[in-house]
Amino acid sequence: KAGVTQTPRYLIKTRGQQVTLSCSPISGHRSVSWYQQTPGQGLQFLFEYFSETQRNKGNFPGRFSGRQFSNSRSEMNVSTLELGDSALYLCASGTSGVRPYNEQFFGPGTRLTVL
Amino acid sequence: EDQVTQSPEALRLQEGESSSLNCSYTVSGLRGLFWYRQDPGKGPEFLFTLYSAGEEKEKERLKATLTKKESFLHITAPKPEDSATYLCAVQAWTGRRALTFGSGTRLQVQP
Repeated sequence: KAGVTQTPRYLIKTRGQQVTLSCSPISGHRSVSWYQQTPGQGLQFLFEYFSETQRNKGNFPGRFSGRQFSNSRSEMNVSTLELGDSALYLCASGTSGVRPYNEQFFGPGTRLTVL
Repeated sequence: EDQVTQSPEALRLQEGESSSLNCSYTVSGLRGLFWYRQDPGKGPEFLFTLYSAGEEKEKERLKATLTKKESFLHITAPKPEDSATYLCAVQAWTGRRALTFGSGTRLQVQP
């Protein structure tokens, strides 16, 4: 079974630009969550999508947004990039329902560097 | 607010020297506690889910246990390939369904 795929793997942007990251979940998984990982803050939850609807949102500014398509693929967008947005962005694909409910399987991440 | 604290921050072991990593948590109704392994520059790799106090799970040299306040990841006779950062996360029944992660334990196993 193929794992979670994320594209691109690496991105370099400058302040003020915007960026779109893509995630394809494990086949059959309908939940996609996004996390930001930095050395100082660790792994922090951005948002979760389930069946094309945002089900949960973390404490990030509105510059961070996302969406999910009917095939469960998800994108996240960051507008007006700031230096502090440099991080590893991780997508997690999850089951939902009866146990093992919502075990989340992570992709390799997209390393975003903002100059 | 859900909180997860992992200790120690870093641990250096000799090959074959068994030890335990600790994950203390506070959560408003535990739905699940998760252990992940993360290698540098890669996404976390799922290891275990524990649902209730007293539960134990094993995989090769790793064994995870759960009480009402903490979880332990026991590493028996570790090998250099076990070197990684081990992350603990909790999910609550109420509120957001997101995982709340600890800051991790960096494990180095020397030959």
